[in-house]
Amino acid sequence: NAGVMQNPRHLVRRRGQEARLRCSPMKGHSHVYWYRQLPEEGLKFMVYLQKENIIDESGMPKERFSAEFPKEGPSILRIQQVVRGDSAAYFCASSPLDDSTGELFFGEGSRLTVL
Amino acid sequence: QKEVEQNSGPLSVPEGAIASLNCTYSDRGSQSFFWYRQYSGKSPELTMFIYSNGDKEDGRFTAQLNKASQYVSLLIRDSQPSDSATYLCAAATGKLIFGQGTTLQVKP
Repeated sequence: NAGVMQNPRHLVRRRGQEARLRCSPMKGHSHVYWYRQLPEEGLKFMVYLQKENIIDESGMPKERFSAEFPKEGPSILRIQQVVRGDSAAYFCASSPLDDSTGELFFGEGSRLTVL
Repeated sequence: QKEVEQNSGPLSVPEGAIASLNCTYSDRGSQSFFWYRQYSGKSPELTMFIYSNGDKEDGRFTAQLNKASQYVSLLIRDSQPSDSATYLCAAATGKLIFGQGTTLQVKP
């Protein structure tokens, strides 16, 4: 039973390029969360999605960042026109429950480096 | 005020000692609380969760919750070098809100 799958594990982009991070939740999970972690810091909530719906995007920067979880395929976190401050680890987590009172299962993360 | 606060540490304890990790939260509506362990460069892994006031024990780990004081703690008995990691406290308020993490170092 595969866990939460994220790819790529490592991504290098130059300033101004686009970054696309993918997340496939655990089998049977229909809720996806994206978190960002800067070095030596905790996890910062970005967005909570269900299939074809954004439930809570209160942690998403207003510009350049977008997320989707289509009916078919993985969830995608898209960062346009990346800047050096976007360099971080981006973790995806999934849950089978309707809200976050249950355990979140995390992927191994995607580490974005912006040159 | 941060929603979930932890002392970043590092907290250093000798092998075999009790490690005590603490966390406070600001949202009184939070109903459940989690401790995740994160090794350097790895993903967070759930260590303990607690919903009710009082203590919850699982092996060498005890989670404590005091909703009146908005305080959560994690005790690790007989600490081992393999327990050395960053411990993230999280409160559920419709989504999990994490503290900045406490780095624990268990010295042989």
